[in-house]
Amino acid sequence: DAGVIQSPRHEVTEMGQEVTLRCKPISGHNSLFWYRQTMMRGLELLIYFNNNVPIDDSGMPEDRFSAKMPNASFSTLKIQPSEPRDSAVYFCASSPGQGLGGYTFGSGTRLTVV
Amino acid sequence: KQEVTQIPAALSVPEGENLVLNCSFTDSAIYNLQWFRQDPGKGLTSLLLIQSSQREQTSGRLNASLDKSSGRSTLYIAASQPGDSATYLCAAYQTGANNLFFGTGTRLTVIP
Repeated sequence: DAGVIQSPRHEVTEMGQEVTLRCKPISGHNSLFWYRQTMMRGLELLIYFNNNVPIDDSGMPEDRFSAKMPNASFSTLKIQPSEPRDSAVYFCASSPGQGLGGYTFGSGTRLTVV
Repeated sequence: KQEVTQIPAALSVPEGENLVLNCSFTDSAIYNLQWFRQDPGKGLTSLLLIQSSQREQTSGRLNASLDKSSGRSTLYIAASQPGDSATYLCAAYQTGANNLFFGTGTRLTVIP
């Protein structure tokens, strides 16, 4: 298995532009998570899906952030419009769900908004 | 809400030393506890996963223990090497919440 795959690895964009981050979870994993990591706040859970359904999006900072999971093998995190304070590393992770196993993280997308 | 704490925040040791990293959590209702390693600018690599029914897990020079009743886990690294230098994160998988709660990490430096 190739693990959790995220794209792009790096993204530099201008303030106000739309940014879309992509994630392919491990096949067979029922839960998918989006995290954001910054020096100041560490790892923060943004949203998670169970069987493609968003379960908890209380960590999504603002309405500018949205996430979708149209099928079991693909998820997106969109920021529109982007702001400099959104600069961070965004991680996607998947797990079998319900404590059946551990989390596997992708390599992350480093987002810089200038 | 589950709170996970890691002490110390940073640790520097000479090569060859054995060391222990500590993790504590406030709510013992967990499915499992997972230890991760993160190198600068990289993602999280899973090191060890301890299910709530287990007491410890071992992988090579690493040994992780879990004491649910006291809300503690430790990661023991034997014969440390410079390549072990990284940030180590523990995370508790909360029952019912289907969510990992992360500690803030311990930044380990092993000096050659």
